[in-house]
Amino acid sequence: GQQVMQIPQYQHVQEGEDFTTYCNSSTTLSNIQWYKQRPGGHPVFLIQLVKSGEVKKQKRLTFQFGEAKKNSSLHITATQTTDVGTYFCAGPAGGTSYGKLTFGQGTILTVHP
Amino acid sequence: DVKVTQSSRYLVKRTGEKVFLECVQDMDHENMFWYRQDPGLGLRLIYFSYDVKMKEKGDIPEGYSVSREKKERFSLILESASTNQTSMYLCASSTRRGVGEKLFFGSGTQLSVL
Repeated sequence: GQQVMQIPQYQHVQEGEDFTTYCNSSTTLSNIQWYKQRPGGHPVFLIQLVKSGEVKKQKRLTFQFGEAKKNSSLHITATQTTDVGTYFCAGPAGGTSYGKLTFGQGTILTVHP
Repeated sequence: DVKVTQSSRYLVKRTGEKVFLECVQDMDHENMFWYRQDPGLGLRLIYFSYDVKMKEKGDIPEGYSVSREKKERFSLILESASTNQTSMYLCASSTRRGVGEKLFFGSGTQLSVL
């Protein structure tokens, strides 16, 4: 079945350093979503990318969708302690998905002040 | 404000017990989901429902069942709890008005089976 792989599993950075997490799907995706889960919290939707090669920005966060629509990345510029958490990518499951998403394993980001 | 409410934040049960996890959403969403979250494995889909009384298995349905008698409520049932079902359980909902609608998650239930 469809697999969504995310790397790295962990990332420790000093405050002010940049951070990138990568997401790869075994199948072509119609769209990809990104979620953030703060420690002790639940996943919260960040953004959705739909078009091949799409790039979207939210303040210090830059999201990219690959040309083949099988990979994506999230880049954070100049990390802050508020960026701490787990970042998940998710793509629609195959077939009749009814909004069903397959999630990557997540990247746990730690920011040292 | 959009809300998905899970009945318990923490739950401790014994092996063999029947466990009910309840989830209610107030957004009139058609789709509801149960995921479990384990370290290093991300979120894995247990079951989902796209309408009242309709349900489909996700990727890891073994040992679980679900019930959706009303649109706003989706229950996850562990027929006979086992220690390997100790996990964080997350309920989510989404609308079916288009492909790729975002999920709204509840706060989660941390279940410990002893």
